[in-house]
Amino acid sequence: HLQLQESGPGLVKPSETLSLTCTFSDDSVNSGSHSWAWIRQPPGKGLEWIASLSYNGYTYYKPSLESRATVSVDTSKNQFFLKLDSVTAADTAVYFCARQYTNWGQGILVTVSS
Amino acid sequence: EIVLTQSPDTLSLSPGDRATLSCTASQSVKYLAWFQQKPGQAPSLVVYGASSRFAGVPDRFSGSGSGTEFTLTINRLEPEDFAVYYCLQYGSSPHTFGQGTKVEI
Repeated sequence: HLQLQESGPGLVKPSETLSLTCTFSDDSVNSGSHSWAWIRQPPGKGLEWIASLSYNGYTYYKPSLESRATVSVDTSKNQFFLKLDSVTAADTAVYFCARQYTNWGQGILVTVSS
Repeated sequence: EIVLTQSPDTLSLSPGDRATLSCTASQSVKYLAWFQQKPGQAPSLVVYGASSRFAGVPDRFSGSGSGTEFTLTINRLEPEDFAVYYCLQYGSSPHTFGQGTKVEI
């Protein structure tokens, strides 16, 4: 059973970079047949798709975040990453990683505040 | 960007009732999924490809629709079905979610 776990700082200062890691329990990243995604949810609000990494290595971003977001993968470590630059309070949310939208991490709350 | 609009925002029902949730897209959608989310939990996949139930999902859940109109039906609501439901289109980038429908007692 695939398990996903998000990790990273729970508090980030405005204008700094948010860096999150999604660690997988198996070798799914290297299997070549899955896509991966980052999704976030501001407190009390709905789900917002941030970005995806397709099974063939292409990356796709939400247009309003594309200039600030970067997703990447380290197959040797079974890890998937999100980097979001120049954060503001509006980036405060629970961040989820997901494989193929079938398996999700539990989420990590990231608060942007000085 | 495809905009998904869910209706209603809130559905007030009782156990044993049927719930009908709608998701309308601003343009034709290739792939649509439905998710259930309970407080403090990650979303869980209910239906993918508009009408295919995900493994382990009870058969009281069914999805239908194509093009721009999609429906999630929950027959004979169980207490554990009361939650927020989101639709997601993942056929074109950017992927987009609907705003959610809360099914409440």
